[in-house]
Amino acid sequence: QSALTQPPSASGSPGQSVTISCTGTSSDVGGYNYVSWYQHHPGRVPKLMIYEVNKRPSGVPDRFSGSKSGNTASLTVSGLQAEDEADYYCSSYADKKEFFGTGTKVTVL
Amino acid sequence: EVQLVESGGGLVQPGGSLRLSCAASGFTLSSCHMNWVRQAPGQGLEWLSYISIRSEAIYYADSVKGRFTISRDNAKNSLYLQMNSLRDEDTAVYYCARDSGLGYAMDLWGQGTTVTVSS
Repeated sequence: QSALTQPPSASGSPGQSVTISCTGTSSDVGGYNYVSWYQHHPGRVPKLMIYEVNKRPSGVPDRFSGSKSGNTASLTVSGLQAEDEADYYCSSYADKKEFFGTGTKVTVL
Repeated sequence: EVQLVESGGGLVQPGGSLRLSCAASGFTLSSCHMNWVRQAPGQGLEWLSYISIRSEAIYYADSVKGRFTISRDNAKNSLYLQMNSLRDEDTAVYYCARDSGLGYAMDLWGQGTTVTVSS
């Protein structure tokens, strides 16, 4: 097992939507509904955006949504705003371990 | 204020050791499972280790198993990471992170402490 696969970059104009994929295996993403998503602005602390595939912690805007199909999870950011520009990481539990994705840099054009 | 504060980072030679600490404030660390995560320069996040509330469950990433040891002192509201046999590739910012209790998600992160392994 190794890092989950994410696209290196994604972009969209303000107000548009962007979807980030996170591909693993049946031993991690596909095997558990324990996928989380984190937003990380450089120089700042990672922030939990989604847990258990599609649940939002208190305070996270409903513009952020998560889903999963088979071994691939996705994060969708709707109504892009300038402050959404950041690195995004997925993570998945996998039998006494946790694996992060390779990270996706989201650019707001 | 609810926060985690890491300390103990610094410059160490290859093969050396370092002990990181993570102090919790504003909440009771003894009620939470905890993790260590790192980010090497220009790289992504890498989970390193997990410890349950009473230390009965401890897990490690393959990259650090046998070299790093996670521990906690609930009476001191603190978490630790003992790092031995350090390698160049262990150079990174090290974060402690609180397990939210919700699907292994980490809902509170410290600011990080920098470890540089170099001769």
